[in-house]
Amino acid sequence: DQQVKQNSPSLSVQEGRISILNCDYTNSMFDYFLWYKKYPAEGPTFLISISSIKDKNEDGRFTVFLNKSAKHLSLHIVPSQPGDSAVYFCAARNTGNQFYFGTGTSLTVIP
Amino acid sequence: EPEVTQTPSHQVTQMGQEVILRCVPISNHLYFYWYRQILGQKVEFLVSFYNNEISEKSEIFDDQFSVERPDGSNFTLKIRSTKLEDSAMYFCASSDYGTGTNTEAFFGQGTRLTVV
Repeated sequence: DQQVKQNSPSLSVQEGRISILNCDYTNSMFDYFLWYKKYPAEGPTFLISISSIKDKNEDGRFTVFLNKSAKHLSLHIVPSQPGDSAVYFCAARNTGNQFYFGTGTSLTVIP
Repeated sequence: EPEVTQTPSHQVTQMGQEVILRCVPISNHLYFYWYRQILGQKVEFLVSFYNNEISEKSEIFDDQFSVERPDGSNFTLKIRSTKLEDSAMYFCASSDYGTGTNTEAFFGQGTRLTVV
């Protein structure tokens, strides 16, 4: 049962434009949502997070939006840079402190 | 900056052999996890560990798998009799969680397990 879903396996964006990565979840008990970035042969690294009591969190070029009624979150990267090219995983944490990951979206930023 | 370390970075083993993957979580963290990612597939949850016992495990984590925190610093994943389909990248993670605190899980660099 895939509780966290990323329906777009890949995304290509021109440098300087906005990248929008999407994520849907099914469990309304998730209380914390995170985005991780992963380069090949490395472990996921934390990027940005949002609590379920908020609808937006911004950190520099990265903004995460949460729509609880739609059980949807998104990551906006603007402006996109070539170094942003990586696989991005959406994750959600339940009240038991378990983290569940989506399948990832491979972002390619074209110079 | 504190980090999660995993050894070895790459392990090759023959089918049917036992392997132990080692992890040193961040020292003040309370929760420990193992995940795996088969090549080209999603990151899958295996098991979480808290207060010296398994708190949750997935269907993947069958009797062939076990975890241990033998000395207060290491966190190990043992696969008793490896199968070809156990070949994957195994990630250890740790997190600190307190009431009202939101915190992320920190991941190690992973151990690539190849079963031949």
